[in-house]
Amino acid sequence: DAGITQSPRHKVTETGTPVTLRCHQTENHRYMYWYRQDPGHGLRLIHYSYGVKDTDKGEVSDGYSVSRSKTEDFLLTLESATSSQTSVYFCAISGLAGGVDTQYFGPGTRLTVL
Amino acid sequence: AQTVTQSQPEMSVQEAETVTLSCTYDTSESDYYLFWYKQPPSRQMILVIRQEAYKQQNATENRFSVNFQKAAKSFSLKISDSQLGDAAMYFCAYSTSGTYKYIFGTGTRLKVLA
Repeated sequence: DAGITQSPRHKVTETGTPVTLRCHQTENHRYMYWYRQDPGHGLRLIHYSYGVKDTDKGEVSDGYSVSRSKTEDFLLTLESATSSQTSVYFCAISGLAGGVDTQYFGPGTRLTVL
Repeated sequence: AQTVTQSQPEMSVQEAETVTLSCTYDTSESDYYLFWYKQPPSRQMILVIRQEAYKQQNATENRFSVNFQKAAKSFSLKISDSQLGDAAMYFCAYSTSGTYKYIFGTGTRLKVLA
């Protein structure tokens, strides 16, 4: 299994509070991603990073920011959480596996915003 | 823009039987990869199988195989000798070679009946 951890694994917070989710990898992969998973929508890309301090927006980036100060860590921040951000958040990394760019996932974080 | 469509929200299969999950995609690219991921109740996203578009031979991994029809832009997953542990959400995914960006379908929930 790819060495990807996420913290926390579960979080309950209140509307308007800031929340930071952490993704840590031990694979030294260049690319890292944050997705959210909601019923009927599959996985939707929030932000991704292609190197230290290099990030870009995905399809559902509004209300989220990211930072990557080290290769191994990718942080997702909800500046002011809203109930619509209640979801399961997945971190992923991308690297070559058998010559094919392949994405591997962390265990997920369930976030509930009350 | 590329899209991935899974038209079967839910499917059922009897234990030991064979089931096929459908996936279609749309792209104008010629060099790309296709993937199937499994998400059991534990929520972990697990890579099941992957296919390089330039390869005519269909990928196989033990009881899992794909039917890759490039001209039809179809990428179905066949599970043989279904087991109770195969019960999960299955996601089809696409990535254009070299972009490190992945697009997911909305998933198919597979139930395995004892």
